[in-house]
Amino acid sequence: DQQVKQNSPSLSVQEGRISILNCDYTNSMFDYFLWYKKYPAEGPTFLISISSIKDKNEDGRFTVFLNKSAKHLSLHIVPSQPGDSAVYFCAASALGKLIFGQGTTLQVKP
Amino acid sequence: NAGVTQTPKFQVLKTGQSMTLQCAQDMNHEYMSWYRQDPGMGLRLIHYSVGAGITDQGEVPNGYNVSRSTTEDFPLRLLSAAPSQTSVYFCASRPVLYTEAFFGQGTRLTVV
Repeated sequence: DQQVKQNSPSLSVQEGRISILNCDYTNSMFDYFLWYKKYPAEGPTFLISISSIKDKNEDGRFTVFLNKSAKHLSLHIVPSQPGDSAVYFCAASALGKLIFGQGTTLQVKP
Repeated sequence: NAGVTQTPKFQVLKTGQSMTLQCAQDMNHEYMSWYRQDPGMGLRLIHYSVGAGITDQGEVPNGYNVSRSTTEDFPLRLLSAAPSQTSVYFCASRPVLYTEAFFGQGTRLTVV
């Protein structure tokens, strides 16, 4: 059973608007969460992370929110830019194991 | 600083053949992992290691073996390739818990 789920395969937003990508997890042992960005034919690259002791972490245009009671995290990108178009993966870590979701393809239209 | 290096970048195998995908990192990272990426399935963890001499199974370990004799290297062995193992394989490493993982460029494997 998938422990980390991204239920939206794709998302399309207009340039300058907010992009919100969502992720749910089932394992209460997860205590560190990450978001990665992936372009075709490249390895995933790290974007932002959050520890389970926090509920928000911000880095420039990227903010990650964690709701532990709901086992839910989200990535906000404001403002969205065409260069943000890529596949975004959320990941959760526990005891050395890093588990990824299925990914959400974000398209930012000029 | 090369980071995480995977070889080969592309490989075609016949069903039943065996091969080893190589992964090396020069960052002295303790944690290393192998993933496969398939359409609609995301990145699925095959095997991982928390240090030299220590390996464990991930989400989809069947048909794959690993070993970790040194900190730098974490090879992935396909014992008898099957078409279902056609995928893009990624190796990743990270220094300690609560840090990000760094990925290699991937190996595209086709089993015919």
